[in-house]
Amino acid sequence: SQQGEEDPQALSIQEGENATMNCSYKTSINNLQWYRQNSGRGLVHLILIRSNEREKHSGRLRVTLDTSKKSSSLLITASRAADTASYFCATGTGANSKLTFGKGITLSVRP
Amino acid sequence: DAGVTQSPTHLIKTRGQQVTLRCSPKSGHDTVSWYQQALGQGPQFIFQYYEEEERQRGNFPDRFSGHQFPNYSSELNVNALLLGDSALYLCASSSVSSDTGELFFGEGSRLTVL
Repeated sequence: SQQGEEDPQALSIQEGENATMNCSYKTSINNLQWYRQNSGRGLVHLILIRSNEREKHSGRLRVTLDTSKKSSSLLITASRAADTASYFCATGTGANSKLTFGKGITLSVRP
Repeated sequence: DAGVTQSPTHLIKTRGQQVTLRCSPKSGHDTVSWYQQALGQGPQFIFQYYEEEERQRGNFPDRFSGHQFPNYSSELNVNALLLGDSALYLCASSSVSSDTGELFFGEGSRLTVL
């Protein structure tokens, strides 16, 4: 069963704009992660935030976590055409626990 | 440093047949997890192997079985294939000594059941 629910399901923006993607989940978590997938290929880990953290940055990525609302957001700043992909949030209950993924967000960045 | 490698990349089977998918984890990793991703969906956890034993299992029937070898590589076997088994099968590796939950994924094996 899906734990995370991403919002919106699809997002289309112009190159240079910021992209914000949201994720909600249902149960208690140890960490929340975001992954990117290009055209049905393998997933690439982007960023992980632990349940005791509120915000984290990595390059053009910023992720926030609100455990009281059971939600997270991923911000990609100054988007590029190469950012076009599907983005998934995934929740884990421990360092080596299974990950539960959402259905994903399709991001299209127009040149 | 080789990442996670999976084989075959694509395969076609007919209903009722059996399939074996293979995975070599990233160098230094000892834990292998398998995920099924249907078209347009997020990956679904099948099971995880560590020390040659199944440690965690998702909500998949017994038709799905696996194995981990002493060199940490792994196989996923699916018996009595159904049309609904058509999906991208993803292998992910990690290290039990890591304090993060980050997974490293292979490119997947795309299975089509006719």
